[in-house]
Amino acid sequence: NAGVMQNPRHLVRRRGQEARLRCSPMKGHSHVYWYRQLPEEGLKFMVYLQKENIIDESGMPKERFSAEFPKEGPSILRIQQVVRGDSAAYFCASSPIQGARASYEQYFGPGTRLTVT
Amino acid sequence: DAKTTQPPSMDCAEGRAANLPCNHSTISGNEYVYWYRQIHSQGPQYIIHGLKNNETNEMASLIITEDRKSSTLILPHATLRDTAVYYCIVRVTGTASKLTFGTGTRLQVTL
Repeated sequence: NAGVMQNPRHLVRRRGQEARLRCSPMKGHSHVYWYRQLPEEGLKFMVYLQKENIIDESGMPKERFSAEFPKEGPSILRIQQVVRGDSAAYFCASSPIQGARASYEQYFGPGTRLTVT
Repeated sequence: DAKTTQPPSMDCAEGRAANLPCNHSTISGNEYVYWYRQIHSQGPQYIIHGLKNNETNEMASLIITEDRKSSTLILPHATLRDTAVYYCIVRVTGTASKLTFGTGTRLQVTL
């Protein structure tokens, strides 16, 4: 999947625990996006970040979910006090900067499968 | 972003061309047509995008009608590995905005 790395690939958490999902974008990409895919459902946008900035968080649940993309290191999607309904595949994507006429195609990682027991 | 309409499923024999249609009748002049696919439960894969001219790359061809209200993704020689859900997405270019995935077309390539 074009070099976007996500870890862990599989994560099991008990209800009430915290889940941290990591995403390293492709080299040279400074835009990161998180999407969620619930079982048997489509992909839903969650949040779009650039380095140290949240640009669009219109798809993020209001509570328990947060995301960051620090100056150094991977982007982190954090889910506090997980519930069974958080069980899903979480995909990260990154896109390059190509200037004002950029098409900004997104390249996806393999995803993290979160299971809440 | 404009809404897209795709058939829920299609079949194609291996080795034949797969032609996946997409309607986007409300597309605006500054919106591109993007195609992605998701093989089983893997991360979506970018295929191709275009504005108004036909486009071709190593994976596929994209044919956009002159009025831009519909397009067709063509996989010239489908293989079993092309079995996937294909998403047609319309999106404003020049902005690194989110992708809005619909339900897509589930393409089944058979022997």
